[in-house]
Amino acid sequence: GESVGLHLPTLSVQEGDNSIINCAYSNSASDYFIWYKQESGKGPQFIIDIRSNMDKRQGQRVTVLLNKTVKHLSLQIAATQPGDSAVYFCAEPEYGNKLVFGAGTILRVKS
Amino acid sequence: KAGVTQTPRYLIKTRGQQVTLSCSPISGHRSVSWYQQTPGQGLQFLFEYFSETQRNKGNFPGRFSGRQFSNSRSEMNVSTLELGDSALYLCASSLGTGYQPQHFGDGTRLSIL
Repeated sequence: GESVGLHLPTLSVQEGDNSIINCAYSNSASDYFIWYKQESGKGPQFIIDIRSNMDKRQGQRVTVLLNKTVKHLSLQIAATQPGDSAVYFCAEPEYGNKLVFGAGTILRVKS
Repeated sequence: KAGVTQTPRYLIKTRGQQVTLSCSPISGHRSVSWYQQTPGQGLQFLFEYFSETQRNKGNFPGRFSGRQFSNSRSEMNVSTLELGDSALYLCASSLGTGYQPQHFGDGTRLSIL
């Protein structure tokens, strides 16, 4: 996904519910994807990654799904907590370690 | 293990000045990349250094430069500052290339008056 200047989409969820954040990518040759979480005043924090030879990867309370047919990634957060409130970015290497970031999605958790 | 450390955290400069930002990567990481983050353009790649060599460069003017030292620490320099250079500058480190996630510092917030 190309990072473009913008109004970020916002996802509001109730505490305890599951969250699903989506990301589309354009390069069908992309073979590695990373999700980052960025809280206010901090740098992006690595959450989970996935290689294109996998469709699904699970971490602690997070799952990333990769659909190569439609070039789509999703990040699922189980039992969303107030501490999950942040901006979430998907990223892919364009060349070497040059990461291209998606625009980001704001996740707001309501208590 | 300590994370990526960036100094200073905040910086205020005026147009025409130059600035140097510093980044200490995670111990053992040899690749350091720099990114600029603005509300309008999002996260944009500046350049990457590996073993003291610039390995990749983004689409930024020559006023933006960097270097890496033998201990993998890196600095980036911006000369002849412009108002549009106001941004959060982020440094990220990784072990190398391949399927390795980059880990970011908390950035330097640069404001140009």
